Amino acid sequence: KNEVEQSPQNLTAQEGEFITINCSYSVGISALHWLQQHPGGGIVSLFMLSSGKKKHGRLIATINIQEKHSSLHITASHPRDSAVYICAVRDYGGSQGNLIFGKGTKLSVKP
Amino acid sequence: DTGVSQDPRHKITKRGQNVTFRCDPISEHNRLYWYRQTLGQGPEFLTYFQNEAQLEKSRLLSDRFSAERPKGSFSTLEIQRTEQGDSAMYLCASSADSSSPLHFGNGTRLTVT
Repeated sequence: KNEVEQSPQNLTAQEGEFITINCSYSVGISALHWLQQHPGGGIVSLFMLSSGKKKHGRLIATINIQEKHSSLHITASHPRDSAVYICAVRDYGGSQGNLIFGKGTKLSVKP
Repeated sequence: DTGVSQDPRHKITKRGQNVTFRCDPISEHNRLYWYRQTLGQGPEFLTYFQNEAQLEKSRLLSDRFSAERPKGSFSTLEIQRTEQGDSAMYLCASSADSSSPLHFGNGTRLTVT
C-alpha cells in the first residue's frame, strides 16, 4: 500500500463546477504539500500546510491531522485549472525536501 | 526572480553513456533538491543540498548517480553507464528555508535507448 493515496485518479468536470481532490496518508507528518503539474512537467507549489485550512484565490486546502487526510478544493473551476494535482507529505523528522508523493489526480475541466 | 532553471530540457542517450544535468536554483535559495518522476507516477526524492553540503541521499540513488553543488549555487546530477530504467523526468527544486515553499524547475526528460 502506498504511503500517500490520492482520489480520484482522474476527474473530468464542467467549467464552473466545485471540485474536490482527496489525499490520505499513513505516516506521521510534519507538513503536507499540494502541487500542480502541467503537461510538459513544470510543477507549481500551491500550498504547504500542517494544520487547519489555507485559501488562495479559488483554491482551498484543508488538513485533518487526526484522520491523516487532506482535501484540495477548487471553486468555480475553469479549463485553465486542467492539470495533475499532486499531494506530498514530509515524514515527521524528515528534511523539507524528502517528500513522499502521491501519484497525482489528473483533472480535466471542459468548457 | 528568474525561477529555477534546468538544462537540458530533453536528453536522448544510448544505454551505457554518461549524462549530466544542470540545475540553477533561485539565487538566494540555499536548499536544493533533486527528484525523479517516471510516467504516471509521482516524483521520488533523490537528494538534498543545503548550500554546498549534500545532507541527504535516497537509497534510490545508486552508485551510478552522483550529485554536486560545488559553490552552493548551481547543482549537477550525473548518471554514469545509463540504463533504460533511468528514463524519467529529473526535477530540481529549491527553497529559501525549511518553512518556505518549494520552487520547481521544468525538469529534464531523459530517454535512454
